[in-house]
Amino acid sequence: GDSVTQMEGPVTLSEEACLTINCTYTATGYPSLFWYVQYPGEGLQLLLKATKADDKGSNKGFEATYRKETTSFHLEKGSVQVSDSAVYFCALSDPGGYQKVTFGTGTKLQVIP
Amino acid sequence: DVKVTQSSRYLVKRTGEKVFLECVQDMDHENMFWYRQDPGLGLRLIYFSYDVKMKEKGDIPEGYSVSREKKERFSLILESASTNQTSMYLCASSIRGLYEKLFFGSGTQLSVL
Repeated sequence: GDSVTQMEGPVTLSEEACLTINCTYTATGYPSLFWYVQYPGEGLQLLLKATKADDKGSNKGFEATYRKETTSFHLEKGSVQVSDSAVYFCALSDPGGYQKVTFGTGTKLQVIP
Repeated sequence: DVKVTQSSRYLVKRTGEKVFLECVQDMDHENMFWYRQDPGLGLRLIYFSYDVKMKEKGDIPEGYSVSREKKERFSLILESASTNQTSMYLCASSIRGLYEKLFFGSGTQLSVL
């Protein structure tokens, strides 16, 4: 079945440091790929998405590129802020069936001033 | 903005009780989902529904059932609550379509004692 593997956390960075959170996936067919973010005490919200190979999703300074050859969708940001502290989830959407979405285990990011 | 409302933020129940978790969305979305979120395990899909009165099992349906009598409402039922069902429960909805994002509620933290 489909699966998503993302790097273990927590990740602690100083403000203005570079961020990379690794994500790889296993899926039949050609899934859509997503990054969701969960701020403390809130539900998840979509951060960015990519729907086909070589697409780059971007939002709020974050970006991720759909790499079919390496089945990866790594999240990157050049300069993190304290307000980026949250849990980040990589996810894929099953291209067949009923749009089932499979999530990774989440990576907690803490940014310190 | 789309709103997905979960009836309770915190819930404490006794082992063996029947528990109802309610979710309502206000944007006429076809798809609705129930996930549970546990540390180190990420989000796991319990059930989803792609239309009124339709339901599909997710990855961990055992011990749960669902009801969708109206398009806007999706209920998760724990027939006989057990301590291993203590978890954060997240409801989500989406428009039908491969590239459509999920909209999440704020979650219900259920404790079964």
